[in-house]
Amino acid sequence: DVKVTQSSRYLVKRTGEKVFLECVQDMDHENMFWYRQDPGLGLRLIYFSYDVKMKEKGDIPEGYSVSREKKERFSLILESASTNQTSMYLCASSPLDMGYGYTFGSGTRLTVV
Amino acid sequence: EDQVTQSPEALRLQEGESSSLNCSYTVSGLRGLFWYRQDPGKGPEFLFTLYSAGEEKEKERLKATLTKKESFLHITAPKPEDSATYLCAVQARTSGGSYIPTFGRGTSLIVHP
Repeated sequence: DVKVTQSSRYLVKRTGEKVFLECVQDMDHENMFWYRQDPGLGLRLIYFSYDVKMKEKGDIPEGYSVSREKKERFSLILESASTNQTSMYLCASSPLDMGYGYTFGSGTRLTVV
Repeated sequence: EDQVTQSPEALRLQEGESSSLNCSYTVSGLRGLFWYRQDPGKGPEFLFTLYSAGEEKEKERLKATLTKKESFLHITAPKPEDSATYLCAVQARTSGGSYIPTFGRGTSLIVHP
């Protein structure tokens, strides 16, 4: 069964900490994405990557960075966590033809205190 | 400005009571409209991709249709296990020039036995 695996299900961090969210896919997909999901706001794209070492900003990249050193792994970094970054973070991957849809991970619920 | 609007926000049905969910969009040059299902605490699960007006796709009790301005997800004789949030996304151009799906806020469906 194909999978997108996010390293943590729940995470609690303090304001100002540097936070790493890891995502690994086993489908050899070219595209990988990071979204955050908040009640009433839906899914919002933070960053995506269409190839190793390539990245593009989404709709809300401020306060975040990403790293894709290997095809199967896409990391989201919160440089200095703030309380307004408390959210559900969802990683997804897709083949080059996005018509096949995304495969999402189960999400990481991050709380910044 | 929202490119994707889903209605209603919430829908309660009795088991067997058929209904439709709506997704209206304002993007020009549609490159794909997607439907996903999301269960509480999980990542969205891909259902369908539609590309052109008049296209229809079916899966069990679900049928998705597409016009030039909107898509409908028809649910025939729903069962309690169809309870979930249904998300619509349209492939739209990002500020960086790539075409990435933009998600609506979803319709929360509850089917009572």
